Amino acid sequence: QKEVEQNSGPLSVPEGAIASLNCTYSDRGSQSFFWYRQYSGKSPELIMFIYSNGDKEDGRFTAQLNKASQYVSLLIRDSQPSDSATYLCAVHNYGQNFVFGPGTRLSVLP
Amino acid sequence: GAVVSQHPSWVICKSGTSVKIECRSLDFQATTMFWYRQFPKQSLMLMATSNEGSKATYEQGVEKDKFLINHASLTLSTLTVTSAHPEDSSFYICSAGRSSGGEQYFGPGTRLTVT
Repeated sequence: QKEVEQNSGPLSVPEGAIASLNCTYSDRGSQSFFWYRQYSGKSPELIMFIYSNGDKEDGRFTAQLNKASQYVSLLIRDSQPSDSATYLCAVHNYGQNFVFGPGTRLSVLP
Repeated sequence: GAVVSQHPSWVICKSGTSVKIECRSLDFQATTMFWYRQFPKQSLMLMATSNEGSKATYEQGVEKDKFLINHASLTLSTLTVTSAHPEDSSFYICSAGRSSGGEQYFGPGTRLTVT
């Protein structure tokens, strides 16, 4: 069974700090990796996707992928209270369904 | 781009009735649409995957006769909860993908309450 694992949290960081969210996956054939943010009572919102090993930066967000170690992470720089949400990692292998992790709850303390 | 809408955003119905939820991709053609259910403080649970013009593929444990999915066009999929019961009360979310292997874009969700 293909699995995606995340620490459920809550992960608490002070405002302005770097929040580091991690995700591991079991399917070595996975090719696409996504990070979604979900505020309480709302649907998930795509933040970033990454396909290749290494780092991908978009504003305050950096996704890091290491296929050999089967992990993908999301760094949020200069964390703001508005970043407080649940962050979902999703992994996809072409021709198969997305597999979502259970999510990590992030709390940014003012 | 990549906007997905859902209608209604919330609905209250009586036990035994049926409820239809629409999911539309507004600015792109979705090759595949997905239906999820999420109970409070729990993670997303995939219910089914649908491709335009073909039958939906249901996840294990999801009753296909209870949750009817129609994917009539590349921009519209509907989920009908038939003979709803209070335990069907949940947050139903659709998502759409515009290419195989590509990212999914989620609709805003429909909160269903069955009394």
